[in-house]
Amino acid sequence: SQQGEEDPQALSIQEGENATMNCSYKTSINNLQWYRQNSGRGLVHLILIRSNEREKHSGRLRVTLDTSKKSSSLLITASRAADTASYFCATDAGSGSRLTFGEGTQLTVNP
Amino acid sequence: GAVVSQHPSWVICKSGTSVKIECRSLDFQATTMFWYRQFPKQSLMLMATSNEGSKATYEQGVEKDKFLINHASLTLSTLTVTSAHPEDSSFYICSARRTGDTQYFGPGTRLTVL
Repeated sequence: SQQGEEDPQALSIQEGENATMNCSYKTSINNLQWYRQNSGRGLVHLILIRSNEREKHSGRLRVTLDTSKKSSSLLITASRAADTASYFCATDAGSGSRLTFGEGTQLTVNP
Repeated sequence: GAVVSQHPSWVICKSGTSVKIECRSLDFQATTMFWYRQFPKQSLMLMATSNEGSKATYEQGVEKDKFLINHASLTLSTLTVTSAHPEDSSFYICSARRTGDTQYFGPGTRLTVL
């Protein structure tokens, strides 16, 4: 079952703008991960943030985690048309390392 | 490193036939492999978890007799969709994990059942 909810479901921005996507979850986690999926393709792992971390950066990506609110956000700065994709958060509760995916955000970056 | 492949990348079959999808970890030994299904514009739903040499653990609502999973080696898991029907048409994605590491995802297999 899906425990993650993401908002917005769809986001359309202009190239150069920042894109923020949010993810909420219900149970305690070991870590939270963000993935990108281009249409009809597999998943690309973007970043992993552990439960004892609050913020993490990777290039133009910034992820925050608030375990008290059970939420995370993914910020993509200076977006490019090539960033157009679906973005999913996935939580790892630690037992068996099964991942539970959120509903995803469809990001469209207009050139 | 940590590359996972799937074969075939797409398959079209007639209703009632069986289809086998392979998932391979190319440069590492995967103690656990996972199979997901994704319908258009939806998220990934975990179908089953398989550990090498043991029976797969299926998620609630997934028919184990319909979706046969074999994890015969540390680098190969197969998913067989038996007696496929149009409602089984979907995008099937596998992932592989080695002990203490994260999951690495395959590129997916598009199944279309006519």
